Parts: sequence; structure tokens; C-alpha cells
Amino acid sequence: DAKTTQPPSMDCAEGRAANLPCNHSTISGNEYVYWYRQIHSQGPQYIIHGLKNNETNEMASLIITEDRKSSTLILPHATLRDTAVYYCIVRVRDSWGKFQFGAGTQVVVTP
Amino acid sequence: SAVISQKPSRDICQRGTSLTIQCQVDSQVTMMFWYRQQPGQSLTLIATANQGSEATYESGFVIDKFPISRPNLTFSTLTVSNMSPEDSSIYLCSVEDWRNTGELFFGEGSRLTVL
Repeated sequence: DAKTTQPPSMDCAEGRAANLPCNHSTISGNEYVYWYRQIHSQGPQYIIHGLKNNETNEMASLIITEDRKSSTLILPHATLRDTAVYYCIVRVRDSWGKFQFGAGTQVVVTP
Repeated sequence: SAVISQKPSRDICQRGTSLTIQCQVDSQVTMMFWYRQQPGQSLTLIATANQGSEATYESGFVIDKFPISRPNLTFSTLTVSNMSPEDSSIYLCSVEDWRNTGELFFGEGSRLTVL
């Protein structure tokens, strides 16, 4: 069973922030939230991950609610190259490679 | 980071034949992972390949259909045996960051089409 729920698709204007929601209401205390994206015909690419604190790196920001039941990935200034399927995944950190990929969100960035 | 190379990048195969996909990593890794992505679908983990031991298969995948080799710490192969059109997929090799941060590195995938 999927542990996360994401909208199937969303559009975003180039240069604007893209806010991608993810629900993970059954997340356990030792499960992290990971975000990956897959640009067409390429292997998935790691974006960011977090446990309970908000995280930021050069690609994106991750906002996790206080109850950890949902999170939002923020792409601050979307570009056309950000068009991809974005996957939100929860997993125990030491479960070595066992990622359960859901359907993800198809993000289309338009000029 | 890890750089992963897969061969072939794509192939067209006849029903009933077998094809071996190779995965080469530019650093030594303990575990390598094989995923399948069927057309229009998300990724599904097939198995985990450990050097020096039998691969561990996920539910729904069996060794007779997807035999895996792991002869050393930088190389693995996945064979898709007795192929049928339902095996048409992208097969992806991946490794995890050695620090166990959860960052998975993926190869570009091998796109198989079975006629």
C-alpha cells in the first residue's frame, strides 16, 4: 500500500515558485521524507530529505508539518528544466535502497 | 556521488529470449539495487544485489525470471529470462550513498522492448 498521496499533476509558470504537496498521514517516528524527481527518459534524481525540521539545499526547500503528516516541496524559481515527475517517499533511513515509489506528481513548467 | 553506467541503453528483443543488462559503478558499493519501470508506471524494486551472496528478491520477483550476478563491488548484471511483451520496461540500476543519507544514485536505465 502506498504510504504517500500526491496530486497526479500540476502546472507552474516559469520563474514562479512551485509548491508540491504530499500527504503521509501514517508516517512512523523513524521514517524520513524523501523527494526525488524523474525527468523524462532519465533515472530518478535525489532532491532533498528530512525528518521533522524544514530543510533547504541548492535545489529546493522541504517544509514538514509539525505533526509530520504532510510536507511540501518548494522549487523557489521553477524553470522549464524542472518539468518532471516528482516523487515523495517515506522510509526508514537504514532500510538500504528500499524505496517505495508511488505514482508521483507530474509537474509541467510553462513559459 | 556515484556514476553508474548501464548497458545496453535500449534493445528490442524477441519473445522467449533472454537479455542481460550490465551495471558498472565508479566506486565500490556494498549493495546494488535493480528497479523496473513499466510503461507509464512508477518504479518497483526487483532485488538487492550483495557481493558474495545471493540477491534478495522483492515480492513478485523470482530468481528464475530475473537472475542477478554480483561478481565484485563495482559491477552487477540483471538477466531478464524468457521474455514476454509484459517485460517491456525500463530497468534501472541504483546504489545508495555510502553515508546512508538515503540518496540513491541511478543509472540512465535500459529500455527493453519485447516483441
